[in-house]
Amino acid sequence: DVKVTQSSRYLVKRTGEKVFLECVQDMDHENMFWYRQDPGLGLRLIYFSYDVKMKEKGDIPEGYSVSREKKERFSLILESASTNQTSMYLCASSHRSYNEQFFGPGTRLTVL
Amino acid sequence: GQQVMQIPQYQHVQEGEDFTTYCNSSTTLSNIQWYKQRPGGHPVFLIQLVKSGEVKKQKRLTFQFGEAKKNSSLHITATQTTDVGTYFCAGSNYQLIWGAGTKLIIKP
Repeated sequence: DVKVTQSSRYLVKRTGEKVFLECVQDMDHENMFWYRQDPGLGLRLIYFSYDVKMKEKGDIPEGYSVSREKKERFSLILESASTNQTSMYLCASSHRSYNEQFFGPGTRLTVL
Repeated sequence: GQQVMQIPQYQHVQEGEDFTTYCNSSTTLSNIQWYKQRPGGHPVFLIQLVKSGEVKKQKRLTFQFGEAKKNSSLHITATQTTDVGTYFCAGSNYQLIWGAGTKLIIKP
């Protein structure tokens, strides 16, 4: 079974803190994605990566950065957390572009 | 930019009634995927449609891809409590573009 794990299910941080969200997949997938999910807005792509050390901006990259030093791990970084970044963050991976995406359980981040 | 509109946002049905959600893209898609997200869960892949006019069935679920490859629908026949959740379409060209989802709610 494909497994995508995320470092935390729930996280509470303060405004201005640097926040790291980790995602690990065990299926040797090339592609990895970070989304945020807000009620009524569906899934919005923040960043994605097609290979180690490669990254591309999605629809809403402002305020975020990513790191992919190893194939199985894709990290999302909030440089200086703000209250409008309170959201559910979902990581996903896939074997190739356009193929099905496998999602992690999500991290619900609250920024106070 | 490219958009995928999904309607309705919510649908309340009695158990046993049918449910349908629709997706429309502003551009022609190479394929479309459907996902289901149970309450408190994460999206899970259901199916991918690739061909113009394609129809696929999974038990009580019927998926269609329009002739112009710009619209798609998911129809559930005789809903059950296990169908509760949010259904998302995601259209693909270079990237997956997600619809906002349709939440299926079963009336008590």
